[in-house]
Amino acid sequence: ELKVEQNPLFLSMQEGKNYTIYCNYSTTSDRLYWYRQDPGKSLESLFVLLSNGAVKQEGRLMASLDTKARLSTLHITAAVHDLSATYFCAVDKGTSGSRLTFGEGTQLTVNP
Amino acid sequence: GAVVSQHPSWVICKSGTSVKIECRSLDFQATTMFWYRQFPKQSLMLMATSNEGSKATYEQGVEKDKFLINHASLTLSTLTVTSAHPEDSSFYICSAFTGDLSYEQYFGPGTRLTVT
Repeated sequence: ELKVEQNPLFLSMQEGKNYTIYCNYSTTSDRLYWYRQDPGKSLESLFVLLSNGAVKQEGRLMASLDTKARLSTLHITAAVHDLSATYFCAVDKGTSGSRLTFGEGTQLTVNP
Repeated sequence: GAVVSQHPSWVICKSGTSVKIECRSLDFQATTMFWYRQFPKQSLMLMATSNEGSKATYEQGVEKDKFLINHASLTLSTLTVTSAHPEDSSFYICSAFTGDLSYEQYFGPGTRLTVT
């Protein structure tokens, strides 16, 4: 059974600081997703990582994937208040159709 | 960009009644649609995979007779919660997958179901 674990689950940080969220998963997969969720809302796609060594950046967020270590990271650079949200990683279960298993989510609060 | 809609966005129903939730891909055809459930302060849990014209595939522990899924076309999937009970109250989110090499899934805005 595929398990996806995020660390930390809660993160409170100051504006301007850097931090990394980690996503570990238990079985082989080459597809990993990062999503953002605001309270009461659905998911917003941030990144789709499709191969070992993939790195993608958008604004203050950068995601990477190491399939050998079964690890993905979401790095936040110079955080701003607008980044406050819950961030989920999700891993493709590996069969056709992209069935996703989600991590527990990291609730990020950026304080002024 | 790819847009997925859900209807209704929220619904309140009485225990024992059935509720239908629609998921539509507005500007693309979805080979596969997925249904997720999210309880407050928790993660998303995949309930079932829906392919157009075929029976849905349910995840372990999800009652297929309680959560009826119909994928009538490449742009529409429906989830019917039958004989709803308060424990079925949750946020139901669908996603649509084009099947192309982007492997992107597009999520709907979600439907909040409250069973009284």
